Formats: sequence, C-alpha cells, structure tokens
Amino acid sequence: GAVVSQHPSWVICKSGTSVKIECRSLDFQATTMFWYRQFPKQSLMLMATSNEGSKATYEQGVEKDKFLINHASLTLSTLTVTSAHPEDSSFYICSAWRLADNNEQFFGPGTRLTVL
Amino acid sequence: DAKTTQPTSMDCAEGRAANLPCNHSTISGNEYVYWYRQIHSQGPQYIIHGLKNNETNEMASLIITEDRKSSTLILPHATLRDTAVYYCIVRVNTDKLIFGTGTRLQVFP
Repeated sequence: GAVVSQHPSWVICKSGTSVKIECRSLDFQATTMFWYRQFPKQSLMLMATSNEGSKATYEQGVEKDKFLINHASLTLSTLTVTSAHPEDSSFYICSAWRLADNNEQFFGPGTRLTVL
Repeated sequence: DAKTTQPTSMDCAEGRAANLPCNHSTISGNEYVYWYRQIHSQGPQYIIHGLKNNETNEMASLIITEDRKSSTLILPHATLRDTAVYYCIVRVNTDKLIFGTGTRLQVFP
C-alpha cells in the first residue's frame, strides 16, 4: 500500500527556535497534503491543506506566519514551526491524498515535538 | 465541526465481533462514510469507506442504513491489536478529513 513518511519522528528544541518537519509520499504523487496537530488524549485537528505549487490553506484559528507550509514537489511538503514555544509541543501528523486514488488519504507516522 | 456522533468507548472480548456504531444524520447525498483508526502514538490507518452499499474488505465490514443516517463498522474477530481509537468521518469524495472524538475500543483477553 501507499506509504507516507515523516521526518523527524521526534524532536526536542529550545523555546524560540524554529523546527522543520518533512512529509513525503514514498510511492505516489500527492497534489494535496494535509497537516494535523494532536494534543494528548485529544482528536486530530486539521491545521492546513497543502497544495503543490500554491499557497497553503489554513483552518480558522491557525496562524499561517507561525506554521509555515511549503509544498514544493508532488512528493514533499514541509511544516515549519517558527519561534516555537512550549504550548506548540504536540504530535504533528501529515496525510497525503493520492492523485490516482481520490477515495483515500494516507497518513504519516507522526512527529512528536517537544519545546523546552 | 465533526458531522458524526460515536460512543466514547467500547469493550470487546478477543475473538468476538466488535460492532462500532456511528450516527451521521445530516449526511449529504454526495458524502461518503469513512472509517479510520489510530493506535496509540501512531498516524491514523484507513479501514474502509462506503457511499450507499455495504462494503467489506480484509479488515472489516461497513454496514450503512438505507437512509444513510447511521452506519456500523464490524471487526469480525477482534484481536488485542485492534485496540485503538476508531473514527467515523463523513466527507465529500475529494474533501478534507475532519476528525471527531472517535470511539476508544478496548479489546480484552
């Protein structure tokens, strides 16, 4: 089946620094990718929709200047958490919608971010 | 807001069928019913989806009522590895997935 990878799987950073998380579709091209955030014992919250070659669409309440998304190719989207603070500590998950299969989204394994 | 209602938690004995209900009374004619599950600290895993007809694959069966206002995910022979949070989601074919709170299924020996 289709595979989506994320890198890194976990990261610890100091408050005020920026962290980049990569999401790759390994065996298919993804015109659209999605970024979610999940706090402990809560459901996944959609942050933004990432479209290859165009600007991301952010959900209401998500700061686009803080969570920078770049979808430069059909297999890679990146999420940069800028000037991270402890409240940004969370589990970040991406998903990719395969071009040839509009009925299914494939999820990455997630990235655990801890901001000290 | 999520368009589905699911019980918060359920238990199931190993080897028995797990039947997970979902209400989606406001579903539109062009919206599909999707089921995903999330095992602790992992990304969600696709299980099954359907529009009108019942569906079956190697993981589960999806039963959708005739009026499409509710559905049931059936895991025919639950194992301990099926312990997870199960999410029922309705969406238009090409739209984004919005997760509700899901059902926490605990399979016990």
